[in-house]
Amino acid sequence: AQSVAQPEDQVNVAEGNPLTVKCTYSVSGNPYLFWYVQYPNRGLQFLLKYITGDNLVKGSYGFEAEFNKSQTSFHLKKPSALVSDSALYFCAVFKAGNMLTFGGGTRLMVKP
Amino acid sequence: NAGVMQNPRHLVRRRGQEARLRCSPMKGHSHVYWYRQLPEEGLKFMVYLQKENIIDESGMPKERFSAEFPKEGPSILRIQQVVRGDSAAYFCASSPGGAAYEQYFGPGTRLTVT
Repeated sequence: AQSVAQPEDQVNVAEGNPLTVKCTYSVSGNPYLFWYVQYPNRGLQFLLKYITGDNLVKGSYGFEAEFNKSQTSFHLKKPSALVSDSALYFCAVFKAGNMLTFGGGTRLMVKP
Repeated sequence: NAGVMQNPRHLVRRRGQEARLRCSPMKGHSHVYWYRQLPEEGLKFMVYLQKENIIDESGMPKERFSAEFPKEGPSILRIQQVVRGDSAAYFCASSPGGAAYEQYFGPGTRLTVT
């Protein structure tokens, strides 16, 4: 069975500092991996995805993620955090054919 | 190109009533997914539909819940005889294809059962 783990419920970072939100996955075969962000009382917004190719994927709002097959990880990163990045972040893996399986989410708090 | 539309945004129902949630996918998208989110939790897959077909309903409770995506009109998630445990945010997503395509999410319908 496939699964996604986000080991940190919350990540705190100061504005201007780099941020990392962790994600590990367990899936048979080649994974299709996604990051989404959710602002309060809103739906999820797509940030980036890894399907194949370059392990470093660049996405919206300056975010990027690195696919590491040996560590089965897909951590989300940003070189310089903004207060407006504060939100709930979800990592997800696509099950062949049908659905996204989401991690439990990580709340990112960026303090001025 | 309008995004995924969901209505109503908020829905209050008494126990035992029916709830109907509507989702209009993005233009050109023929794949629709429904997810449920409890407070401070991730989204849980419920059902995946293409036009006039249910492809995967493995995440949907066997009783009281049903979904459709007719040839014309929005996708409907229907919950009969609602109970307090059905209170949640229900999100619809659409995509133009399957696995490799990102899903675009609607703003959600927040169902409260009193």
